[in-house]
Amino acid sequence: DAGVTQSPTHLIKTRGQHVTLRCSPISGHKSVSWYQQVLGQGPQFIFQYYEKEERGRGNFPDRFSARQFPNYSSELNVNALLLGDSALYLCASSFPRGTEAFFGQGTRLTVV
Amino acid sequence: EDQVTQSPEALRLQEGESSSLNCSYTVSGLRGLFWYRQDPGKGPEFLFTLYSAGEEKEKERLKATLTKKESFLHITAPKPEDSATYLCAVYNDYKLSFGAGTTVTVRA
Repeated sequence: DAGVTQSPTHLIKTRGQHVTLRCSPISGHKSVSWYQQVLGQGPQFIFQYYEKEERGRGNFPDRFSARQFPNYSSELNVNALLLGDSALYLCASSFPRGTEAFFGQGTRLTVV
Repeated sequence: EDQVTQSPEALRLQEGESSSLNCSYTVSGLRGLFWYRQDPGKGPEFLFTLYSAGEEKEKERLKATLTKKESFLHITAPKPEDSATYLCAVYNDYKLSFGAGTTVTVRA
């Protein structure tokens, strides 16, 4: 079975640009969460979506948005990129709340 | 707000030298404590979930335990392939709150 898949794996963008990151969950998982991991730190929660509805949002500016599609895949969008947005962006999928969350390999975003 | 603190930040071990990693947490209503392994540039790999004080789980050379305030990850007779960053996280409602991790290096 395929695990959580994310695309692209690496991305370089210029300050002020917009970026879209994509995630496909494990088959049967209906919940998708996004995390940002800066070098040397643990992942920080950005969003959780379940059944296409936002169920939780972390302490990130409105430049960050996300959505979940009917097939449970998800997109994370970041507008007006800043140098500080450079990080590894992780997607995790799980069955409904309280169960194991499985992560994808991440998208390494570099803003120059 | 949920807080997770891991210690030590880094741990250098000789192959076969057993040790323990600590994860202390403060959370209102723990719904699960997770351990992950992360290799450089990759996503975290799920290891264990613990739900209640006194619970223990094992996988190969790793054993995780949980008390009301902290969790330990014991590494028994480690091998070089156990070198990685080990992340601890608490689950509350809809999100995981992570510690900064312990980077373990095992020398042959």
